[in-house]
Amino acid sequence: GAVVSQHPSWVICKSGTSVKIECRSLDFQATTMFWYRQFPKQSLMLMATSNEGSKATYEQGVEKDKFLINHASLTLSTLTVTSAHPEDSSFYICSASGRRNTIYFGEGSWLTVV
Amino acid sequence: AQSVAQPEDQVNVAEGNPLTVKCTYSVSGNPYLFWYVQYPNRGLQFLLKYITGDNLVKGSYGFEAEFNKSQTSFHLKKPSALVSDSALYFCAVRAPNSGNTPLVFGKGTRLSVIA
Repeated sequence: GAVVSQHPSWVICKSGTSVKIECRSLDFQATTMFWYRQFPKQSLMLMATSNEGSKATYEQGVEKDKFLINHASLTLSTLTVTSAHPEDSSFYICSASGRRNTIYFGEGSWLTVV
Repeated sequence: AQSVAQPEDQVNVAEGNPLTVKCTYSVSGNPYLFWYVQYPNRGLQFLLKYITGDNLVKGSYGFEAEFNKSQTSFHLKKPSALVSDSALYFCAVRAPNSGNTPLVFGKGTRLSVIA
């Protein structure tokens, strides 16, 4: 079946640095991918919709200059957290639409900013 | 705009007993409905979906869900719970013919199966 891969699974970075998270669709092409953020014991919060070859669409309240999204190919979208701060520490999950209207999710990436 | 409600934060059930995790939705037109499961520190795993057709949908790991249009519900069920079913369950909806729009999630229900 369809698989979405995220990398890295865990990352620790220093405050003020930037970190990139990759999301790949392994056996299908995804013109659209979605980035979510999940706080402990809470539901998923949609951050942005990533469109191949065009600018991402950000949800209200999400800083586009802080959370840079690039969807350069049909199988890869990246989320870069710029000038990270401890409050950016969270679980980030990407998803992509596969065949038959099914949306598949990556395994998620834990970001800890120290 | 579409929305999903999962009225229970926590569901406890004894191993071997049937389980139900509730979900109701609000959407214009016929919805696309999904159930996902999340284990600790992991991403979401797809369980099942309803797009059209038979109201009873069978999915992974012995789970099933029944689409009830009159009650706008899509409850997740399993005849006999396992301890390994203990996890966080999310119901999600997408409006029909909405192209590549994201899913709207419920807040999640934590299922605890007790041996």
